[in-house]
Amino acid sequence: NAGVTQTPKFQVLKTGQSMTLQCAQDMNHNSMYWYRQDPGMGLRLIYYSASEGTTDKGEVPNGYNVSRLNKREFSLRLESAAPSQTSVYFCASSEKRGGLEQFFGPGTRLTVL
Amino acid sequence: AQSVTQLGSHVSVSEGALVLLRCNYSSSVPPYLFWYVQYPNQGLQLLLKYTSAATLVKGINGFEAEFKKSETSFHLTKPSAHMSDAAEYFCAVSGWGSNSGYALNFGKGTSLLVTP
Repeated sequence: NAGVTQTPKFQVLKTGQSMTLQCAQDMNHNSMYWYRQDPGMGLRLIYYSASEGTTDKGEVPNGYNVSRLNKREFSLRLESAAPSQTSVYFCASSEKRGGLEQFFGPGTRLTVL
Repeated sequence: AQSVTQLGSHVSVSEGALVLLRCNYSSSVPPYLFWYVQYPNQGLQLLLKYTSAATLVKGINGFEAEFKKSETSFHLTKPSAHMSDAAEYFCAVSGWGSNSGYALNFGKGTSLLVTP
């Protein structure tokens, strides 16, 4: 099993450009999450999807949108990228709401110029 | 809401010395607590988790952590550090049945340096 996969691994954007980060899991997990990691800030939740067909905002949702395409896939979209969105983005999944560990993808390193 | 505080953003130990990484939690409901490790340019890997069973939890790579409700702590320890333990360590909390039970709240991380 591949676990959680993310594409792309690296991306450089100019301010105002848009892009979609892709995430897929093959563990049949119900819940999926998007985090961003910034130096000294730990990981902060952007959006999550408790189950297929549902999405909810996390701690830092502004400037992002998400789509739970099916049970396997959860994408994160930046409509108009800003330098403040320069970060490392991690997707994660878990078996059910609360209580169990999350499995993380390898991350996408995004730079917005 | 649940939160964790990691004391010390950087910890340095000598190879073979005790590793102690501190984490204190705040939770209004019984917490689930986790320690994750992140090696350079990689994702997060679970070291161990506490889910209200035994208070002393053993994880991978010789790490363990003890849940102390009276001290609201979940410190991570390893008796003897290896060079390969150098990494970023994150403590995280999830609250079963709470509004934020869907996701983990992470501490800001502790960078462990192991010197020869």
